[in-house]
Amino acid sequence: ETGVTQTPRHLVMGMTNKKSLKCEQHLGHNAMYWYKQSAKKPLELMFVYNFKEQTENNSVPSRFSPECPNSSHLFLHLHTLQPEDSALYLCASSQDVGLAPVKTDTQYFGPGTRLTVL
Amino acid sequence: QKEVEQNSGPLSVPEGAIASLNCTYSDRGSQSFFWYRQYSGKSPELIMSIYSNGDKEDGRFTAQLNKASQYVSLLIRDSQPSDSATYLCAVNTGAGNNRKLIWGLGTSLAVNP
Repeated sequence: ETGVTQTPRHLVMGMTNKKSLKCEQHLGHNAMYWYKQSAKKPLELMFVYNFKEQTENNSVPSRFSPECPNSSHLFLHLHTLQPEDSALYLCASSQDVGLAPVKTDTQYFGPGTRLTVL
Repeated sequence: QKEVEQNSGPLSVPEGAIASLNCTYSDRGSQSFFWYRQYSGKSPELIMSIYSNGDKEDGRFTAQLNKASQYVSLLIRDSQPSDSATYLCAVNTGAGNNRKLIWGLGTSLAVNP
């Protein structure tokens, strides 16, 4: 257990559905991340929140909508997804972003949500 | 475009041997370097972090960093079948609020009994 939990662990949805992924960290960190992991591709950073403020949106389509109500919780709202959005969605946290020292860059991952879009 | 390169493998070693995993990166300003292990169907877990040139040892794992050559490696001594996994190299890039990790594709390691 890394101190980062994600729900649900598996999700199957149709292209017209709306669903949400939830992430919670119990590490006292201030930065949280959403990544997408697809086969044969490196981890793709989607969004970064630092002290509840979004600091990175890596050109993610608007059908993915993040929400960070506090430093411990992160959501990813999904709507009208495409089959190519099927992937493992990973949440991670770190102490913070951008503050010295660089050891605060260490990220800890949740177990992921395996998403299948039909 | 900042990049992290790894040989995708698969790297196959016999049980008890030393496995050597390599990673190169393009950003000369990078300051923190990480190795993560990812079992099939699971999420990445941190194995080692290294910040200074030279070697850092933790049990059977040794990370080696050479900033001049922009090269970081991971050695696994006395490899066990349970070490069979994909090993991801991650390197920080950017500054301030834009600092983030960029990831290699990973090297698949198979340790044969």
